[in-house]
Amino acid sequence: DAGVIQSPRHEVTEMGQEVTLRCKPISGHNSLFWYRQTMMRGLELLIYFNNNVPIDDSGMPEDRFSAKMPNASFSTLKIQPSEPRDSAVYFCASIMTPANTGELFFGEGSRLTVL
Amino acid sequence: DAKTTQPPSMDCAEGRAANLPCNHSTISGNEYVYWYRQIHSQGPQYIIHGLKNNETNEMASLIITEDRKSSTLILPHATLRDTAVYYCIVRSSNRDDKIIFGKGTRLHILP
Repeated sequence: DAGVIQSPRHEVTEMGQEVTLRCKPISGHNSLFWYRQTMMRGLELLIYFNNNVPIDDSGMPEDRFSAKMPNASFSTLKIQPSEPRDSAVYFCASIMTPANTGELFFGEGSRLTVL
Repeated sequence: DAKTTQPPSMDCAEGRAANLPCNHSTISGNEYVYWYRQIHSQGPQYIIHGLKNNETNEMASLIITEDRKSSTLILPHATLRDTAVYYCIVRSSNRDDKIIFGKGTRLHILP
């Protein structure tokens, strides 16, 4: 399997623009997580899905952020409008739950810079 | 909030065993202890996990105290490539359980 695939790997945009980050989880995994990482705040959980249904979005910073999972093989995280403080690395991760190993697989991340 | 406490940083000489502690005093009976590491700007990588017995795999060993309130990750022969941030987390296998990462321990392997 190719692992968790995220795109784009790098995005530079201007304040006010819409940003869409994409994630393809590992085939067969039924839970998907979106994290944001910054030096100041570390690795923050934004939202997670189980069987394509959002379970907890309490980590989403504000209404400018939204996430969808229309099917088991695709998820998006959208920021509209973007602001400089949204600059961070956004990670997507997937896992099979329940599972014996409980191993969470991460993508390589999308590095977002908002000017 | 993370349910674990770890020292912010540690040093270890190359070739020696690196022992990384983690406190999880509020762990529940159905919660597992997991360890991940993050090398530079890559996504975190799974290392090992356990419930109450000690565990060993090709990467590391996990020692969990009898009361399960703390654990230690052991890298038996640390190399420079083990320099990373190590995260200890606790979670159940419940499908609705959050996976929360704390600040982790930044391990520096010294040549």
